Amino acid sequence: ETGVTQSPTHLIKTRGQQVTLRCSSQSGHNTVSWYQQALGQGPQFIFQYYREEENGRGNFPPRFSGLQFPNYSSELNVNALELDDSALYLCASSWGPPETQYFGPGTRLLVL
Amino acid sequence: TQLLEQSPQFLSIQEGENLTVYCNSSSVFSSLQWYRQEPGEGPVLLVTVVTGGEVKKLKRLTFQFGDARKDSSLHITAAQPGDTGLYLCAGMKGGKLIFGQGTELSVKP
Repeated sequence: ETGVTQSPTHLIKTRGQQVTLRCSSQSGHNTVSWYQQALGQGPQFIFQYYREEENGRGNFPPRFSGLQFPNYSSELNVNALELDDSALYLCASSWGPPETQYFGPGTRLLVL
Repeated sequence: TQLLEQSPQFLSIQEGENLTVYCNSSSVFSSLQWYRQEPGEGPVLLVTVVTGGEVKKLKRLTFQFGDARKDSSLHITAAQPGDTGLYLCAGMKGGKLIFGQGTELSVKP
């Protein structure tokens, strides 16, 4: 059984650019949640996808958007990057929205 | 405002000491999870507690869920350097995980 994987592991962008982060969910999981973790903080919920539909969103602006594909993998897109977007971006997958979530290793994004 | 408050935020102790980390909220959660995270990695689930008053043990770690399902504690007995890491509590609410800010634990040999 393959765990949750994320790509890339690290990324450096400049302010104003756009970025796409990818997540492959654990085999059989149909729900993917994305979190932003700033240095020294706990993860903050961005949004969740369940069976290819957005199933809840945290307090993040519309320039944070996402997709879930038929194989339940997912993308997080961030437009017009700001310096404060520098963080570890985590995705987690589960059998369903209320079930235990399993986290990937994260993508470390640095915005200069 | 943090929905889940963890305390302390930082803890530095000697090997062999005991410690307790607290996770408090004014909200009720359907379940509460404890995770451990090492630098550059994602959080790894330690335990899920569901029932008010529930106590779960994982070797030297003891987890307790408050009777009202609003708070939890993690107690580590005889801490070891391998216990060093960021400990996160997270409450499940409406299918979404809400995290505390974490407790950074350092256990010195």
